[in-house]
Amino acid sequence: DAGIIQSPKHEVTEMGQTVTLRCEPIFGHNFLFWYRDTFVQGLELLSYFRSRSIIDNAGMPTERFSAERPDGSFSTLKIQPAEQGDSAVYVCASRPRAGGIGYYGYTFGSGTRLTVV
Amino acid sequence: AQSVSQHNHHVILSEAASLELGCNYSYGGTVNLFWYVQYPGQHLQLLLKYFSGDPLVKGIKGFEAEFIKSKFSFNLRKPSVQWSDTAEYFCAVMRYGGSQGNLIFGKGTKLSVKP
Repeated sequence: DAGIIQSPKHEVTEMGQTVTLRCEPIFGHNFLFWYRDTFVQGLELLSYFRSRSIIDNAGMPTERFSAERPDGSFSTLKIQPAEQGDSAVYVCASRPRAGGIGYYGYTFGSGTRLTVV
Repeated sequence: AQSVSQHNHHVILSEAASLELGCNYSYGGTVNLFWYVQYPGQHLQLLLKYFSGDPLVKGIKGFEAEFIKSKFSFNLRKPSVQWSDTAEYFCAVMRYGGSQGNLIFGKGTKLSVKP
């Protein structure tokens, strides 16, 4: 089991550039989450999908951030244009569909460390 | 708004010392509570979780946590830490309702254990 695959592991980009981060969730997991991990705020939920539909993206810090999951499998998080304050670790998580309330078996990726210079 | 507070940003202990990491949450409804650990260079892993029943929950690697509903707390404990426990620890809350089981995390506590 390869787990969640996030790419790239590290990304260094200049201010003003477009950054695209990718997440391959666990096969069959219906829900996919994007988190951002910073020293100041810790792990913040940015957005999440059920299948290909965005359920909530209220955590996206600005309109420069967008996320897609076009066919309900992999997802991309795009920052356009990138700013220095976007430097953080971006963590993807997924979980299967559940029939009821409870712990749904989240699996986390190792994250993409983004540095904007 | 719901929040999760972890009181210590960085804790430094010697091996064999006892550990207690504080976690408080602000949500008043029914919640599920979790502690996750992230070892250097690795992804988040579940340490333990609380749904209902016995408020003292035992997890992996000798960790336990106690849910105190009246204090909105879910503190993590270990009687004797090891150097290999050096990691970052996150408390998380999942609540019922419209947000369909999202995990909301505290800011994390870095634990450094000196050999």
